[in-house]
Amino acid sequence: QKEVEQDPGPLSVPEGAIVSLNCTYSNSAFQYFMWYRQYSRKGPELLMYTYSSGNKEDGRFTAQVDKSSKYISLFIRDSQPSDSATYLCASYTGNQFYFGTGTSLTVIP
Amino acid sequence: EPEVTQTPSHQVTQMGQEVILRCVPISNHLYFYWYRQILGQKVEFLVSFYNNEISEKSEIFDDQFSVERPDGSNFTLKIRSTKLEDSAMYFCATSRQGNTGELFFGEGSRLTVL
Repeated sequence: QKEVEQDPGPLSVPEGAIVSLNCTYSNSAFQYFMWYRQYSRKGPELLMYTYSSGNKEDGRFTAQVDKSSKYISLFIRDSQPSDSATYLCASYTGNQFYFGTGTSLTVIP
Repeated sequence: EPEVTQTPSHQVTQMGQEVILRCVPISNHLYFYWYRQILGQKVEFLVSFYNNEISEKSEIFDDQFSVERPDGSNFTLKIRSTKLEDSAMYFCATSRQGNTGELFFGEGSRLTVL
């Protein structure tokens, strides 16, 4: 059983659209949840970081965690072509991070 | 803004050769990690390192791999006797605290084994 599961996409949206990216996880011990953005052939860049359940907003980005359903979401408002990247969800417990496979997003101008 | 730096950015080696990948962590970070990403696949955990010793390692991190912090600044990953399947991007990551989730990645070192 995979610790973190993520639909790989690809996802293609027009500029200005609201994007919803989702992951599920299996380990109820997970407390910390992250979203990373990865441009082609670059290292993952920490985008959002949340602890336990709830919402966190940063500009056009909102991260949402529902621990009861083990569901992690990232919403991007007013999407821009520069948001085109692969988005990785991740969770952490103990001393290990577990990553999803990543969702490839293309925002079309 | 502080960043994790990695060298080399790309290394091509022959099968069976030894490779050393280097990382300079963010200066006040104490927890260090190596991850691997085979082209088109997910980011995979290799090893975590704290207080000059390995904290955890994955099944991938077998006797072929080793890590050390030789001079208090660099954090290295050594791959002995490389195999074709070792071809991947290797990412160093660091965090200030080990019991949270804020992990900062370097740009990666692309290893190609021929």
